[in-house]
Amino acid sequence: EAGVAQSPRYKIIEKRQSVAFWCNPISGHATLYWYQQILGQGPKLLIQFQNNGVVDDSQLPKDRFSAERLKGVDSTLKIQPAKLEDSAVYLCASSLGPGIQPQHFGDGTRLSIL
Amino acid sequence: SQQGEEDPQALSIQEGENATMNCSYKTSINNLQWYRQNSGRGLVHLILIRSNEREKHSGRLRVTLDTSKKSSSLLITASRAADTASYFCATDAGGSYIPTFGRGTSLIVHP
Repeated sequence: EAGVAQSPRYKIIEKRQSVAFWCNPISGHATLYWYQQILGQGPKLLIQFQNNGVVDDSQLPKDRFSAERLKGVDSTLKIQPAKLEDSAVYLCASSLGPGIQPQHFGDGTRLSIL
Repeated sequence: SQQGEEDPQALSIQEGENATMNCSYKTSINNLQWYRQNSGRGLVHLILIRSNEREKHSGRLRVTLDTSKKSSSLLITASRAADTASYFCATDAGGSYIPTFGRGTSLIVHP
């Protein structure tokens, strides 16, 4: 089966600019996650979708981050405006459903803020 | 906050040796998972162990869970250079089943 696809792989922007990341999960996976992974740390969950509804966004900085999953398939994560501390790898993962399921990760987007 | 904390932070061994890494956590959990992350790649699920299980095997991997000590260990036997990666434990608690990841153990296997 095809894995989780993410684009772009790398992005460099200046602070206060905006940026968007795209994720296409594994076909048939109802649950989609966005994580932020800062260098040297483990992934931190930003938002979880079940189909096109939000399950958990308690750690999403909503003043600058937004995410959507229209039609319950692809998802986009946006940052506007970006801050220096947003430099990180943004990982998308999907799983068959909610509950405890193995998550399948994409290779992420490495974001650098200048 | 990060629930699980891996130990050691870094581990360097020779090919053929066994590698053991540990994960400790603070509050009672439902499940514990181990993931591997190669440099520049996403995480790959290795194994899941439920709170009522004590040991699981998958190929060269052996995971133990001691809920009384709130700790888990991952043993990789007969390591290979291809095992070089970061290894993360992830725990979930309560009713959310959303895993919380630790900072990881960086394993280097020298050929």
